[in-house]
Amino acid sequence: EVQLVESGGGVVRPGGSLRLSCAASGFTFDDYGMSWVRQAPGKGLEWVSGMNWNGGSIGYADSVKGRFTISRDNAKNSLYLQMNSLRAEDTALYYCARDLTAMTETVEKFQHWGQGTLVTVSS
Amino acid sequence: DIQMTQSPSSLSASVGDRVTITCQASQDISNYLNWYQQKPGKAPKLLIYDASNLETGVPSRFSGSGSGTDFTFTISSLQPEDIATYYCQQYYNLPLTFGGGTKVEIK
Repeated sequence: EVQLVESGGGVVRPGGSLRLSCAASGFTFDDYGMSWVRQAPGKGLEWVSGMNWNGGSIGYADSVKGRFTISRDNAKNSLYLQMNSLRAEDTALYYCARDLTAMTETVEKFQHWGQGTLVTVSS
Repeated sequence: DIQMTQSPSSLSASVGDRVTITCQASQDISNYLNWYQQKPGKAPKLLIYDASNLETGVPSRFSGSGSGTDFTFTISSLQPEDIATYYCQQYYNLPLTFGGGTKVEIK
């Protein structure tokens, strides 16, 4: 069974940093593109960042470009999101999501989701 | 960035009704369009991918169509368990983008 478990969320002051982690199991992690998708309280879904299976394609939403960095450690079956210079508008539930299809050129469609980790940016 | 415009933003329908949601892309995205269902307090669920392909295990009352810039998501006979918010999402270009969502309620 595919499982994605996010961690690392919490309360942080504006300008601060956090590192989110997503522990994956139940599939060959190396073969799949992974993304972070967030949802602000009461709002819609926003794709934050994604990395394809081999790291050859990485993308970011304009709202986080230059502040957030996605990475993966295939040996640990884990995805990360380093978030710097956090703003109040980054407050959201952050989901880790796995692509439907293995070995695609870019991230595409999210078949499996974690339950999310909450990030609150507040002074 | 490609903008995805969903309509309506909310709708109310009776059990058994046919429900239709539209999604318009700001440029041609071929069939690189997915639909998700999100129930309150839950993670989203992939229902339709590549505009018209039903994800495994998803009931056949859900369907999708369209290509280019205009797409349609349909529930052929609304059921009480379909109460949720539905989102379209394009993957033609990075950054990936979602529509604003359509909240479906029972009348």
